Amino acid sequence: ETGVTQTPRHLVMGMTNKKSLKCEQHLGHNAMYWYKQSAKKPLELMFVYNFKEQTENNSVPSRFSPECPNSSHLFLHLHTLQPEDSALYLCASSQGATGIETQYFGPGTRLLVL
Amino acid sequence: GQNIDQPTEMTATEGAIVQINCTYQTSGFNGLFWYQQHAGEAPTFLSYNVLDGLEEKGRFSSFLSRSKGYSYLLLKELQMKDSASYLCAVRDSNYQLIWGAGTKLIIKP
Repeated sequence: ETGVTQTPRHLVMGMTNKKSLKCEQHLGHNAMYWYKQSAKKPLELMFVYNFKEQTENNSVPSRFSPECPNSSHLFLHLHTLQPEDSALYLCASSQGATGIETQYFGPGTRLLVL
Repeated sequence: GQNIDQPTEMTATEGAIVQINCTYQTSGFNGLFWYQQHAGEAPTFLSYNVLDGLEEKGRFSSFLSRSKGYSYLLLKELQMKDSASYLCAVRDSNYQLIWGAGTKLIIKP
């Protein structure tokens, strides 16, 4: 059983809606990540947080807004999304964010933007 | 640019052996990962190679050749539950993970 949980598992939203994705890790890790996974494409790293501080933002559009209130919780706030944003959004965590640690993933939120 | 190549889809028979290849061109190398992802589920860690050679873990083995920029994941005694996508990822010189698009493995009875 994974130590990383994500809610909701499925989300359908219109382009004018505002919604939030939630991730929680129960592994005692200090780093958390948001990835986007589109069909038949490599995982795209979106954001990295280490000890609640954002350490990486891979040129993600401002309609995606991350929030990390503590080392166990990570949110992704969504507003005015586009249909091409439809994808599986995966959260992951690792002990640290130096890059040498193994990442552990949540089951993802399947997002459909209409 | 950095690139990871792996086949899009493979089909194999229950009980058989299958080899999933991964080739990479990255700026530096600090290890290669294999993850398994069942449909609708989280990617789960399978193996990690940083030195050349074969790492065996039960029915799964992973091989690395750094000089060739090549790795493979070998699955033996295939079971229906092995139907999943297999993701190859390389850690580059900046310790960033570069991901392949994944190989969807279909197991037939």
